[in-house]
Amino acid sequence: KQEVTQIPAALSVPEGENLVLNCSFTDSAIYNLQWFRQDPGKGLTSLLLIQSSQREQTSGRLNASLDKSSGRSTLYIAASQPGDSATYLCAVTSGSEKLVFGKGTKLTVNP
Amino acid sequence: KAGVTQTPRYLIKTRGQQVTLSCSPISGHRSVSWYQQTPGQGLQFLFEYFSETQRNKGNFPGRFSGRQFSNSRSEMNVSTLELGDSALYLCASSPSRGANTGELFFGEGSRLTVL
Repeated sequence: KQEVTQIPAALSVPEGENLVLNCSFTDSAIYNLQWFRQDPGKGLTSLLLIQSSQREQTSGRLNASLDKSSGRSTLYIAASQPGDSATYLCAVTSGSEKLVFGKGTKLTVNP
Repeated sequence: KAGVTQTPRYLIKTRGQQVTLSCSPISGHRSVSWYQQTPGQGLQFLFEYFSETQRNKGNFPGRFSGRQFSNSRSEMNVSTLELGDSALYLCASSPSRGANTGELFFGEGSRLTVL
């Protein structure tokens, strides 16, 4: 059974800081991994999708890496801004073809 | 291009009632999946529909059901509501499914409160 863990559960940083969010999964036989952002009371916004054959994806100030063998992914946010404050979730699609989510990391960027 | 639309956005029901939630996917998307989000359990997969057929189901009781229409719109139904069914129900669509699942697009969700 695939399990996804995100550490830390919450993170508070000053504006301008570079930061890394972590995601680990127990079954390395994944099809893809996605990072999402969720603002309070809202739906999820897809940030980056990494296919199993890829090592990383970049979009603007965001960079996500994937290491299937170790069951890990990281989301790197450069030069953080108060508008980046949200909960960040990672999710994997694996053999069961069900999307399994982590519990998320709540990020607060202080002005 | 319109996004994923979920209706209603908010609703309040009492225990024992039933509820139907609707999801209209992005035009051209054939896969619709549903998730329940609660503070304690996080996001949990409910079921997935593709071309009007349920392709996958999560670990939820039979009170939770769904269907997909020929235009890819989907509905989910919860019967005999319990207090624990209070949650944000999210729908997502994608062009394909399974190993070929691409980027998922989520709706804003339907917030259900059971009193």
